[in-house]
Amino acid sequence: QSALTQPPSVSGSPGQSVTISCTGTSSDVGGYDRVSWYQQPPGTAPKLMIYEVFNRPSGVPFRFSGSKSGNTASLTISGLQAEDEADYYCSSYTDSSTVVFGGGTKLTVL
Amino acid sequence: EVQLLESGGGLVQPGRSLRLSCITSGFIFGDFAMTWVRQAPGKGLEWVGFARSKTFGGTTQYAASVEGRFTISRDDSKSIVYLQMNSLKSEDTAVYYCTRDPGPNTIAVTGGAYWGQGTLVTVSS
Repeated sequence: QSALTQPPSVSGSPGQSVTISCTGTSSDVGGYDRVSWYQQPPGTAPKLMIYEVFNRPSGVPFRFSGSKSGNTASLTISGLQAEDEADYYCSSYTDSSTVVFGGGTKLTVL
Repeated sequence: EVQLLESGGGLVQPGRSLRLSCITSGFIFGDFAMTWVRQAPGKGLEWVGFARSKTFGGTTQYAASVEGRFTISRDDSKSIVYLQMNSLKSEDTAVYYCTRDPGPNTIAVTGGAYWGQGTLVTVSS
């Protein structure tokens, strides 16, 4: 199973919106609503931000939203804040009953 | 409060074995699938495998990179999940995290709702 494709880096200024894409295939992202997004600041464990494409766990700000179209899922962060600077990873369940991660995207808040 | 605590990491020679443990609390362990994820130094996240809940027989799935060498087991009476790692290779060097699914009794396991702090495994001679 090949890794999901994410841009290596994105950036934005405080208050702006940024979107991180996650492209897979019909065997993973396109075939299941089991896409998750994780935030990982340096030196810390990942934190779940979005699950099942668009669901936010309790405590995650409304600024974080998820969506999916075809084989591509997206994470949008609105009203960017300095504390959002981190690595972001997507993952998806697959038709092999496994899980595949994206390569990760480094978000820089300018 | 859900808590996950990994242990058992350390320095091990290539070809040897190591068993990681993940002690959990704060939820009904038997109702949840448990997943192991690893992260090599400076690299991204890599899914290792999972064990489903007892509702689905505790069945397991593994990444191709560890299939046949790693085994995930669970002790529902103690709320612990294990990762037995055999025939270790240098490329298995990573921080290993255990994670729990967002909801109970899922067959399409994704993990990731809660994470431990991770335990570092270094495979080197």
